[in-house]
Amino acid sequence: EIVMTQSPATLSVSPGERATLSCRASQSVSNNLAWYQQKPGRAPRLLIYGASTRATGIAPWFSGSGSGTDFNLTITSLQSEDFAVYYCQQYNNWPRTFGPGTTVDIK
Amino acid sequence: QVQLQESGPGLVRPSETLSLTCTVSGGSISPYYWSWIRQPPGKGLESIGYIFYSGGTNYNPSLKSRVTMSVDTSKNQFSLQLSFVTAADTAIYYCARHRSAMASLDYWGRGTLVTVSS
Repeated sequence: EIVMTQSPATLSVSPGERATLSCRASQSVSNNLAWYQQKPGRAPRLLIYGASTRATGIAPWFSGSGSGTDFNLTITSLQSEDFAVYYCQQYNNWPRTFGPGTTVDIK
Repeated sequence: QVQLQESGPGLVRPSETLSLTCTVSGGSISPYYWSWIRQPPGKGLESIGYIFYSGGTNYNPSLKSRVTMSVDTSKNQFSLQLSFVTAADTAIYYCARHRSAMASLDYWGRGTLVTVSS
């Protein structure tokens, strides 16, 4: 099973600032990597798939990069609605596995 | 707009079988793949398994011996059964859609909390 790790566990950011979240896979997942946003009491929402493709309706200030084992999610200018938990997920191997999440909170 | 809704008992006794159904509205259950994912309170996400609209399945090896999934295309529903549950199975259970066997999960249900307790 591929183990996904994320850093940092918590990121404190002021509105309007840039946030960069990292995700690492224990072995190569090619570009089969997705990012999800989850707010309290809500289901996760797909943000990015294929490591860098924004899902339908996702704001342009979200971007993904990376391939192989190292990936980033960048939020270029944090809006109030962007404070949430972010999970990465690999879907290159079964079972698909998720990272433990990064909480982005208000500084 | 595709919507998914989980339903089933919120409380299951230890050693019994957890049964959940996901109803798909706003779109057809075919030709997609449908997953179950769970999230213990305050913890991360775990893939349970998936089922193709035609009935093929793939389960997480860690749960395989206890999981059964089925699909009813006439009702636009698919289901999860998890047998011999323990407190460790207490979680929010989500259903979700994906376009191929190994793909991102593009639509999710709101989730349903299942507590295992006597």
